[in-house]
Amino acid sequence: EDQVTQSPEALRLQEGESSSLNCSYTVSGLRGLFWYRQDPGKGPEFLFTLYSAGEEKEKERLKATLTKKESFLHITAPKPEDSATYLCAVQEGGYSTLTFGKGTMLLVSP
Amino acid sequence: EAGVTQSPTHLIKTRGQQATLRCSPISGHTSVYWYQQALGLGLQFLLWYDEGEERNRGNFPPRFSGRQFPNYSSELNVNALELEDSALYLCASRKSPNTGELFFGEGSRLTVL
Repeated sequence: EDQVTQSPEALRLQEGESSSLNCSYTVSGLRGLFWYRQDPGKGPEFLFTLYSAGEEKEKERLKATLTKKESFLHITAPKPEDSATYLCAVQEGGYSTLTFGKGTMLLVSP
Repeated sequence: EAGVTQSPTHLIKTRGQQATLRCSPISGHTSVYWYQQALGLGLQFLLWYDEGEERNRGNFPPRFSGRQFPNYSSELNVNALELEDSALYLCASRKSPNTGELFFGEGSRLTVL
């Protein structure tokens, strides 16, 4: 069973059409949940870290939230430049490494 | 401040050859992580180095190895290349070995023919 599951696998939005991406996790003792953005052929770019349930962080049109079992990345009024793959990763207590989900590929059309 | 740098950007090898990839972490970061991103498979953890020592490795065969130098830069070696080793190899660094985000380089694209 995967520790990190992201849904949907792909999402197509019209410019201005808000939506949410989901990241569910099954690790015990969450030490941190991380969101990254990855453009094709590039390395992942760090967006947010969340540490405890109820925590929220915002950056421009993006807002990340965390519960005890999942995290959401809300995208408000997206623009074409928000098109990318969004990756979620978790760090389990007692471990240093991050385990990544397979990502959600977002395409925003003008 | 310079980010994580990786070289080469692209590398083409044939089956059975060896590949060496290099990574320079962000200044002040002592931990270096290597991940493999094969097509359709997400990021898979390969190796973690901190203070010159290998601290953990993922579920990869021993022909994947590496080291970290005194200046905290790192190299990843892949011996006896197989076709399925074709992937984007990503290096990341972290200020503290156990907390905080990883900062990634742009990756090295390895193609095995």
